[in-house]
Formats: sequence, C-alpha cells, structure tokens
Amino acid sequence: GAVVSQHPSWVICKSGTSVKIECRSLDFQATTMFWYRQFPKQSLMLMATSNEGSKATYEQGVEKDKFLINHASLTLSTLTVTSAHPEDSSFYICSARTGVRRGQPQHFGDGTRLSIL
Amino acid sequence: EDQVTQSPEALRLQEGESSSLNCSYTVSGLRGLFWYRQDPGKGPEFLFTLYSAGEEKEKERLKATLTKKESFLHITAPKPEDSATYLCAVQAGSDSSYKLIFGSGTRLLVRP
Repeated sequence: GAVVSQHPSWVICKSGTSVKIECRSLDFQATTMFWYRQFPKQSLMLMATSNEGSKATYEQGVEKDKFLINHASLTLSTLTVTSAHPEDSSFYICSARTGVRRGQPQHFGDGTRLSIL
Repeated sequence: EDQVTQSPEALRLQEGESSSLNCSYTVSGLRGLFWYRQDPGKGPEFLFTLYSAGEEKEKERLKATLTKKESFLHITAPKPEDSATYLCAVQAGSDSSYKLIFGSGTRLLVRP
C-alpha cells in the first residue's frame, strides 16, 4: 500500500521550455503532497507544500512564478517548471501523506530527473 | 530553529560487520522521527517512525532507537544489498503543515 507514482522519470529539454511533472497517489487519497528538490549527494530540500483545492505554500527562496503547483484532486498534484533554464536541472521528488494522525509518514515517488540543455 | 544532523556522512563496512548510524535532532515538540532508505536515482523508501524516547522498531537487519536528543539506526550483519543512503527526518509539533526536516544522510557501502 501507499504507492506514489511520479511521471515522467526523466526529461531532457531545451532552455526556455516549460515542463510539467505529475505526482499521483495510487491507492490512497492525499490531501497534502510535498515537492522536493535534490542535488547530487545532498539531502532533500522542500520546495512547497501542496494542498488539495487550495494554493500551495512555498518555502522561502522558492520562486512561485517559476515553479507552479496545482493540486486539483485528492490523488494528483502537478509541478510545472516554467521557462526552464540549465540552473533548474535537478532531481525533483514528490511525496504524499497517508493520513492526518501524528507521525504519519510521507511516501515518496521515484523522482523526475530534469536536464535543461 | 529545528535541525537534524546525521553522522557519519559516509560509512564503508564489510559484509557482516555491524554498525550504527546517528541522527541528532533539535526540534520544538517532536511529532515523529522518520528513517528512510534511498537508492541512487530513486525516491526515499519509508523504513520506520519513532514517536517517543525509549521506543525501538526493527525490520530485518535494521533496528531504530530513539532518545530525547538522537536516534540510532543499527545495522546487524549487513549485506551488500543494504548499501544505500539512509535519511533521517523529523516532524515538528509546532508546525501544522506536517512537513519533514531532513538530515543530510549517511551513504552506506557494504562490501562483499
């Protein structure tokens, strides 16, 4: 149980292109999803918290207009990297919580490796 | 400020050589401490949740323990397939968003 699917797993595109990444909870409903960015040999950096039916909450230093998040249903959140540039190249990972009880873990997708040429 | 520190940064073990990974934390009201395993090019895989000091959880060769200031992940007689990065994260009680604060991880390599 608690499977999170992320798509695509790998994308290479030209500078200036916008890229959309999907995150789906396959066997549970997720009112809250999270988007992370991870650089090589570094830990996960939280970018934003995505709440179903409301605006995402972005962490300090993350550009809202660059990283658009939509959480339109209880099983799907999307991250769109707008007008991507080489410095946006990274490993992007989403996660979802299975419940609201204390200590409920987040379950992660397998990530999307984004390479901007 | 809530903070998580993991040590060592990297650890090399021979197959069968038991060891422990450390996760020290400073947090205002601990909701939970989480251990994850991450393989290269993959997302983190959930291992354990610990809630209170004195608690222990086990899974195969892994055992996680928790005190008021730190958590240990003990690996008993590791095998090469245990090689991965192990991440520790905390969820603060003061934060209603339920977000996790991650440590920088310990990269474990187990040689046959």
